[in-house]
Amino acid sequence: EVQLVESGGGLVQPGGSLRLSCAASGFTVSSNYMSWVRQAPGKGLEWVSVIYSGGSTYYADSVKGRFTISRHNSKNTLYLQMNSLRAEDTAVYYCARLIVGAYFDYWGQGTLVTVSS
Amino acid sequence: DIVMTQTPLSLSVTPGQPASISCKSSQSLLHSDGKTYLYWYLQKPGQPPQLLIYEVSNRFSGVPDRFSGSGSGTDFTLKISRVEAEDVGVYYCMQSIQLPPVTFGQGTRLEIK
Repeated sequence: EVQLVESGGGLVQPGGSLRLSCAASGFTVSSNYMSWVRQAPGKGLEWVSVIYSGGSTYYADSVKGRFTISRHNSKNTLYLQMNSLRAEDTAVYYCARLIVGAYFDYWGQGTLVTVSS
Repeated sequence: DIVMTQTPLSLSVTPGQPASISCKSSQSLLHSDGKTYLYWYLQKPGQPPQLLIYEVSNRFSGVPDRFSGSGSGTDFTLKISRVEAEDVGVYYCMQSIQLPPVTFGQGTRLEIK
């Protein structure tokens, strides 16, 4: 059974850093495209980042230069390192598997990041 | 980036009645590979989104046949033939022809009368 479990969210001050983790089971992270999608409170879905099976990474303009997506193959885990956090980064962050570079078929339950002083 | 525009933004439907949601993209979602990269998701309260429809009109595994998708190019529609209480939530269309980035519509909130 495919499962994605995020962790690492919490309250952080503006300018601070946080690292999110997404532990996968039932499939191999490194063989798939994996993505982070976020949802600000009461708002819609916003794609954040993707890492391809070959290792290429891409980011939304809103996070480029501040966030870094990565994976640990032996731990079968996806990460999102978030630096220079801003109030507008406050959101639930979901990891999701991107199938054939086209659609998200499995999502985690999400982890809440709150950026506030 | 491709902009996805959904209408309406909210719907109130009596159980057993049909519902329809429109999604328009700022560019054609038809790829040279012949596929159209348009998807529909439902986000039930307190849950992550779940895939309903892929490539315009294909129901994902386990999705009831009361859900159907249609359209082409830049205009797409999600229809629910007979709304049930469990269909409550926010519906999103999504494009991935231009990845990155993936973009979503604003969402359509469905409530039961």
